[in-house]
Amino acid sequence: AQTVTQSQPEMSVQEAETVTLSCTYDTSESNYYLFWYKQPPSRQMILVIRQEAYKQQNATENRFSVNFQKAAKSFSLKISDSQLGDTAMYFCAFMKMGYSGGGADGLTFGKGTHLIIQP
Amino acid sequence: AAGVIQSPRHLIKEKRETATLKCYPIPRHDTVYWYQQGPGQDPQFLISFYEKMQSDKGSIPDRFSAQQFSDYHSELNMSSLELGDSALYFCASSLEGAPGNTIYFGEGSWLTVV
Repeated sequence: AQTVTQSQPEMSVQEAETVTLSCTYDTSESNYYLFWYKQPPSRQMILVIRQEAYKQQNATENRFSVNFQKAAKSFSLKISDSQLGDTAMYFCAFMKMGYSGGGADGLTFGKGTHLIIQP
Repeated sequence: AAGVIQSPRHLIKEKRETATLKCYPIPRHDTVYWYQQGPGQDPQFLISFYEKMQSDKGSIPDRFSAQQFSDYHSELNMSSLELGDSALYFCASSLEGAPGNTIYFGEGSWLTVV
């Protein structure tokens, strides 16, 4: 079984600052996917960024980027130029790769980090 | 673009009653997942279906059952409801084998058991 650990229950930064959310995971799988999901007060689960474990290049989506360290089983999320709308709960999630290259067994989530962007 | 549709969005039931949640995946998606998120908790995987067959089972109580129909929509049936079943229930869908296999979530169904 996989486990995902987010060691920062809550973080608070000023608007326009850069913030990094940490995530570590434990697995015996060699092929898997990692995700960051954002859950604002509306409780909708919104995909922020994803990373395929077989890709060495770190994923980037506009102001969001990851630092994926496969050997260390670390997957941190960096948010640049933070905005008030970034205030949300952020979940790191793991999914092992299925036989066809797709996912299997659903997502395993960390406990989440509540990020607060202060004006 | 069409998203995952869940109904009802809100549901209030009494203890020991039965509830059914429905999920309509994104068109062409062949995999459906159900998650339960209690207050202040992370989402917990319940069950998934691929091509109308159960593909994996998580922490789903025996009182719960689910299925995926020929049109790929899915229903989660919950019987003998308990107060602890009060939660936000997410349905999500994906396309098996798609690059990155991104899972897209619906807006969730709020179940309150009183």
